[in-house]
Amino acid sequence: DAKTTQPPSMDCAEGRAANLPCNHSTISGNEYVYWYRQIHSQGPQYIIHGLKNNETNEMASLIITEDRKSSTLILPHATLRDTAVYYCIGMYSGGGADGLTFGKGTHLIIQP
Amino acid sequence: KAGVTQTPRYLIKTRGQQVTLSCSPISGHRSVSWYQQTPGQGLQFLFEYFSETQRNKGNFPGRFSGRQFSNSRSEMNVSTLELGDSALYLCASSLAGFPYEQYFGPGTRLTVT
Repeated sequence: DAKTTQPPSMDCAEGRAANLPCNHSTISGNEYVYWYRQIHSQGPQYIIHGLKNNETNEMASLIITEDRKSSTLILPHATLRDTAVYYCIGMYSGGGADGLTFGKGTHLIIQP
Repeated sequence: KAGVTQTPRYLIKTRGQQVTLSCSPISGHRSVSWYQQTPGQGLQFLFEYFSETQRNKGNFPGRFSGRQFSNSRSEMNVSTLELGDSALYLCASSLAGFPYEQYFGPGTRLTVT
């Protein structure tokens, strides 16, 4: 699975869009990009995933660059409850031999 | 529909004892994975069960074992507990394993004294 690199922390004002970057320059053609987040003292929560095309769901949007070497998770209108550690993970379709490999993630702090 | 449930939520054990943790997946999900989370090591994959068979296994000693029942409920057992086993143990269920999204439970907080 691709190694991912994320900034350790970010701040965002409440109500603004939070844009969380992830670098996955070694990703291969059939590796998905997944985003999870973990709010303090809770289990991780699935947010979104994608392969090549941009994806949007009720929680967020995922923008993947054309060369697939990086992606951005966008929370369109951040609220205080979005304060969490966000993890970007690369995973082969049919993979999972090592489970989900969580790195250090980005600690997103939403400021009131 | 109901989410992933884990029991118990909190547990205190003594070194040398053994412990069994339980996980009930979302209805219809056939895959259950287990993770250990500690401040120093972060989230680490223990194993995954699918249709009562262990399909994937992480790099943990044999003291950590698990099983899955025909109703997809899963148990994890840790024998001969060590102080370093103190952690948050999380289970995640998914429709059919990877790459489907994983839905995590609230975890069981195990403290070994």
